[in-house]
Amino acid sequence: QAILTQSSSASASLGSSVKLTCTLSNDYRNHIIAWHQQQTGKAPRFLMKVENNGRYTKGSGAPARFSGSSSGADRYLTISNLQPEDEADYFCETWDSDSRIFGGGTKLTVL
Amino acid sequence: QLQLQESGPGLVKPSETLSLTCNVSGGSIDRTTYYWGWIRQTPGKGLEWIGSIYYSGRAYYGPSLAGRSALFVDKSKNQFTLKVTSVTAADTAMYFCARSLFYAPFDSWGQGILVTVSS
Repeated sequence: QAILTQSSSASASLGSSVKLTCTLSNDYRNHIIAWHQQQTGKAPRFLMKVENNGRYTKGSGAPARFSGSSSGADRYLTISNLQPEDEADYFCETWDSDSRIFGGGTKLTVL
Repeated sequence: QLQLQESGPGLVKPSETLSLTCNVSGGSIDRTTYYWGWIRQTPGKGLEWIGSIYYSGRAYYGPSLAGRSALFVDKSKNQFTLKVTSVTAADTAMYFCARSLFYAPFDSWGQGILVTVSS
Protein backbone atom coordinates (compact mmCIF):
# COMPACT_ATOMS: atom_id res chain seq x y z
CA GLN A 1 0.00 0.00 0.00
CA ALA A 2 1.25 3.48 -0.85
CA ILE A 3 2.50 5.89 1.77
CA LEU A 4 2.28 9.64 1.33
CA THR A 5 4.55 11.81 3.45
CA GLN A 6 3.95 15.48 4.12
CA SER A 7 5.54 17.97 6.50
CA SER A 8 3.15 18.73 9.33
CA SER A 9 3.45 22.48 9.05
CA ALA A 10 4.69 25.32 6.87
CA SER A 11 4.55 29.08 6.98
CA ALA A 12 5.16 31.95 4.61
CA SER A 13 4.52 35.66 4.46
CA LEU A 14 1.55 37.37 2.90
CA GLY A 15 2.24 38.03 -0.76
CA SER A 16 5.12 35.52 -0.97
CA SER A 17 5.20 32.02 -2.46
CA VAL A 18 5.29 28.64 -0.78
CA LYS A 19 5.95 25.15 -2.13
CA LEU A 20 4.40 22.19 -0.32
CA THR A 21 5.66 18.65 -0.84
CA CYS A 22 3.99 15.26 -0.91
CA THR A 23 6.41 12.33 -1.16
CA LEU A 24 5.27 8.96 -2.48
CA SER A 25 6.72 5.73 -1.16
CA ASN A 26 9.21 4.19 -3.57
CA ASP A 27 6.93 1.52 -5.06
CA TYR A 28 4.42 4.22 -5.97
CA ARG A 29 6.82 6.93 -7.16
CA ASN A 30 5.12 7.15 -10.56
CA HIS A 31 1.61 7.58 -9.22
CA ILE A 32 -0.62 10.52 -9.82
CA ILE A 33 -1.61 12.42 -6.71
CA ALA A 34 -4.25 15.02 -5.94
CA TRP A 35 -4.01 18.08 -3.73
CA HIS A 36 -6.93 19.14 -1.55
CA GLN A 37 -7.37 22.23 0.60
CA GLN A 38 -9.29 22.25 3.87
CA GLN A 39 -9.89 25.58 5.54
CA THR A 40 -10.73 25.49 9.23
CA GLY A 41 -14.18 24.07 9.85
CA LYS A 42 -14.88 23.52 6.15
CA ALA A 43 -15.10 20.57 3.82
CA PRO A 44 -12.04 19.63 1.78
CA ARG A 45 -11.85 21.11 -1.69
CA PHE A 46 -10.15 19.42 -4.62
CA LEU A 47 -7.44 21.68 -6.05
CA MET A 48 -5.61 19.67 -8.71
CA LYS A 49 -4.05 16.40 -9.69
CA VAL A 50 -0.35 16.17 -10.43
CA GLU A 51 1.23 13.52 -12.66
CA ASN A 52 4.74 12.11 -12.41
CA ASN A 53 5.80 14.08 -15.51
CA GLY A 54 4.86 17.35 -13.79
CA ARG A 55 1.66 17.91 -15.68
CA TYR A 56 -1.10 19.17 -13.47
CA THR A 57 -4.86 19.55 -14.00
CA LYS A 58 -6.70 21.98 -11.79
CA GLY A 59 -10.21 21.69 -10.47
CA SER A 60 -12.75 24.35 -11.31
CA GLY A 61 -12.43 26.04 -7.93
CA ALA A 62 -8.66 26.29 -7.74
CA PRO A 63 -7.31 29.85 -7.93
CA ALA A 64 -4.89 30.75 -10.70
CA ARG A 65 -2.19 31.33 -8.06
CA PHE A 66 -2.03 27.59 -7.43
CA SER A 67 0.17 25.32 -9.54
CA GLY A 68 1.63 21.83 -9.39
CA SER A 69 4.88 20.14 -10.35
CA SER A 70 6.79 16.92 -9.81
CA SER A 71 10.30 15.54 -9.31
CA GLY A 72 10.92 11.86 -8.81
CA ALA A 73 8.70 10.67 -5.98
CA ASP A 74 7.87 14.22 -4.91
CA ARG A 75 4.75 16.05 -5.94
CA TYR A 76 4.51 19.77 -5.27
CA LEU A 77 1.86 22.37 -4.73
CA THR A 78 3.07 25.94 -5.22
CA ILE A 79 0.98 28.87 -4.05
CA SER A 80 2.03 32.29 -5.32
CA ASN A 81 1.09 35.70 -3.90
CA LEU A 82 -0.14 34.16 -0.66
CA GLN A 83 -3.44 35.50 0.60
CA PRO A 84 -5.00 35.22 4.07
CA GLU A 85 -7.58 32.75 2.77
CA ASP A 86 -4.80 30.37 1.77
CA GLU A 87 -4.22 29.57 5.43
CA ALA A 88 -5.50 26.01 5.59
CA ASP A 89 -4.57 22.35 5.76
CA TYR A 90 -3.34 20.87 2.50
CA PHE A 91 -3.32 17.15 2.02
CA CYS A 92 -2.50 14.84 -0.84
CA GLU A 93 -4.29 11.74 -2.05
CA THR A 94 -3.35 8.83 -4.27
CA TRP A 95 -5.16 5.72 -5.39
CA ASP A 96 -5.00 2.27 -6.88
CA SER A 97 -7.80 0.43 -8.65
CA ASP A 98 -9.30 -0.57 -5.30
CA SER A 99 -7.73 1.59 -2.60
CA ARG A 100 -7.08 5.19 -1.65
CA ILE A 101 -4.53 6.78 0.63
CA PHE A 102 -4.24 10.25 2.09
CA GLY A 103 -1.19 12.05 3.35
CA GLY A 104 -1.11 13.41 6.88
CA GLY A 105 -1.56 16.98 5.70
CA THR A 106 0.44 20.19 5.99
CA LYS A 107 -0.92 23.07 8.01
CA LEU A 108 -0.04 26.28 6.20
CA THR A 109 0.18 29.50 8.18
CA VAL A 110 0.18 32.84 6.35
CA LEU A 111 2.25 35.30 8.34
CA GLN B 1 -23.68 22.17 -9.50
CA LEU B 2 -23.20 18.91 -7.67
CA GLN B 3 -23.84 19.00 -3.94
CA LEU B 4 -23.33 16.24 -1.39
CA GLN B 5 -24.93 16.38 2.06
CA GLU B 6 -24.35 13.93 4.88
CA SER B 7 -27.04 13.12 7.41
CA GLY B 8 -27.37 10.83 10.39
CA PRO B 9 -27.08 10.75 14.16
CA GLY B 10 -24.45 12.86 15.81
CA LEU B 11 -24.26 10.54 18.81
CA VAL B 12 -24.10 6.75 18.78
CA LYS B 13 -23.71 4.39 21.71
CA PRO B 14 -20.82 1.91 21.86
CA SER B 15 -21.52 -1.48 20.25
CA GLU B 16 -24.39 -0.04 18.16
CA THR B 17 -24.51 0.39 14.38
CA LEU B 18 -23.76 3.78 12.85
CA SER B 19 -25.75 4.64 9.75
CA LEU B 20 -24.99 7.71 7.63
CA THR B 21 -26.61 8.83 4.39
CA CYS B 22 -25.23 11.06 1.68
CA ASN B 23 -27.82 12.86 -0.40
CA VAL B 24 -26.68 13.79 -3.91
CA SER B 25 -28.21 16.80 -5.64
CA GLY B 26 -27.35 18.54 -8.89
CA GLY B 27 -26.39 15.26 -10.53
CA SER B 28 -27.52 11.69 -10.87
CA ILE B 29 -25.97 8.98 -8.74
CA ASP B 30 -26.40 6.43 -11.53
CA ARG B 31 -24.12 8.15 -14.04
CA THR B 32 -21.83 5.37 -15.13
CA THR B 33 -18.60 7.32 -14.70
CA TYR B 34 -18.74 8.07 -11.00
CA TYR B 35 -17.94 6.38 -7.72
CA TRP B 36 -19.31 7.52 -4.39
CA GLY B 37 -17.15 7.32 -1.32
CA TRP B 38 -16.91 7.78 2.42
CA ILE B 39 -13.91 9.20 4.24
CA ARG B 40 -13.47 9.94 7.92
CA GLN B 41 -11.16 12.36 9.68
CA THR B 42 -9.78 12.33 13.21
CA PRO B 43 -7.09 14.47 14.83
CA GLY B 44 -4.97 11.41 15.51
CA LYS B 45 -5.18 9.49 12.25
CA GLY B 46 -6.03 12.21 9.76
CA LEU B 47 -8.06 11.21 6.72
CA GLU B 48 -8.98 7.56 6.23
CA TRP B 49 -10.74 6.21 3.18
CA ILE B 50 -13.59 3.93 4.30
CA GLY B 51 -14.84 2.76 0.93
CA SER B 52 -16.42 3.64 -2.39
CA ILE B 53 -19.45 2.31 -4.23
CA TYR B 54 -20.57 2.32 -7.85
CA TYR B 55 -24.21 2.88 -8.79
CA SER B 56 -24.50 -0.85 -9.60
CA GLY B 57 -23.76 -1.65 -5.95
CA ARG B 58 -20.19 -2.86 -6.43
CA ALA B 59 -18.20 -1.60 -3.49
CA TYR B 60 -14.55 -1.33 -2.47
CA TYR B 61 -13.49 -1.07 1.13
CA GLY B 62 -10.42 0.25 2.88
CA PRO B 63 -8.65 -1.55 5.71
CA SER B 64 -9.46 1.02 8.39
CA LEU B 65 -12.73 -0.54 9.55
CA ALA B 66 -11.64 -4.17 9.21
CA GLY B 67 -14.89 -5.59 7.80
CA ARG B 68 -17.26 -3.58 10.00
CA SER B 69 -18.43 -1.31 7.21
CA ALA B 70 -20.94 -1.73 4.40
CA LEU B 71 -21.98 0.62 1.61
CA PHE B 72 -25.34 0.78 -0.14
CA VAL B 73 -26.73 2.89 -2.95
CA ASP B 74 -30.37 3.91 -3.41
CA LYS B 75 -30.81 5.16 -6.98
CA SER B 76 -34.49 6.02 -6.45
CA LYS B 77 -33.55 8.51 -3.74
CA ASN B 78 -30.24 9.57 -5.33
CA GLN B 79 -28.35 8.77 -2.16
CA PHE B 80 -25.86 6.31 -0.74
CA THR B 81 -25.41 4.97 2.76
CA LEU B 82 -22.62 3.87 5.07
CA LYS B 83 -23.18 1.44 7.92
CA VAL B 84 -20.56 0.71 10.57
CA THR B 85 -21.24 -2.05 13.06
CA SER B 86 -20.00 -2.51 16.63
CA VAL B 87 -18.79 1.06 16.99
CA THR B 88 -16.35 2.12 19.69
CA ALA B 89 -14.97 5.43 20.85
CA ALA B 90 -12.29 5.02 18.16
CA ASP B 91 -15.00 5.53 15.54
CA THR B 92 -15.62 9.08 16.78
CA ALA B 93 -14.77 11.20 13.75
CA MET B 94 -15.91 13.66 11.13
CA TYR B 95 -17.39 11.64 8.29
CA PHE B 96 -17.38 12.98 4.73
CA CYS B 97 -19.02 11.68 1.59
CA ALA B 98 -17.40 12.45 -1.75
CA ARG B 99 -17.44 11.69 -5.46
CA SER B 100 -14.73 10.43 -7.76
CA LEU B 101 -14.28 9.03 -11.22
CA PHE B 102 -12.80 5.56 -11.42
CA TYR B 103 -9.04 5.73 -10.85
CA ALA B 104 -9.19 9.44 -10.11
CA PRO B 105 -9.24 11.71 -7.06
CA PHE B 106 -12.25 12.76 -5.06
CA ASP B 107 -13.35 15.93 -6.82
CA SER B 108 -16.43 16.91 -4.83
CA TRP B 109 -16.94 16.65 -1.05
CA GLY B 110 -19.83 16.98 1.35
CA GLN B 111 -19.66 19.33 4.33
CA GLY B 112 -19.10 16.48 6.75
CA ILE B 113 -20.92 15.25 9.82
CA LEU B 114 -19.42 14.85 13.26
CA VAL B 115 -20.23 11.51 14.87
CA THR B 116 -19.44 10.88 18.52
CA VAL B 117 -19.50 7.40 20.01
CA SER B 118 -20.35 7.62 23.69
CA SER B 119 -22.70 6.09 26.21
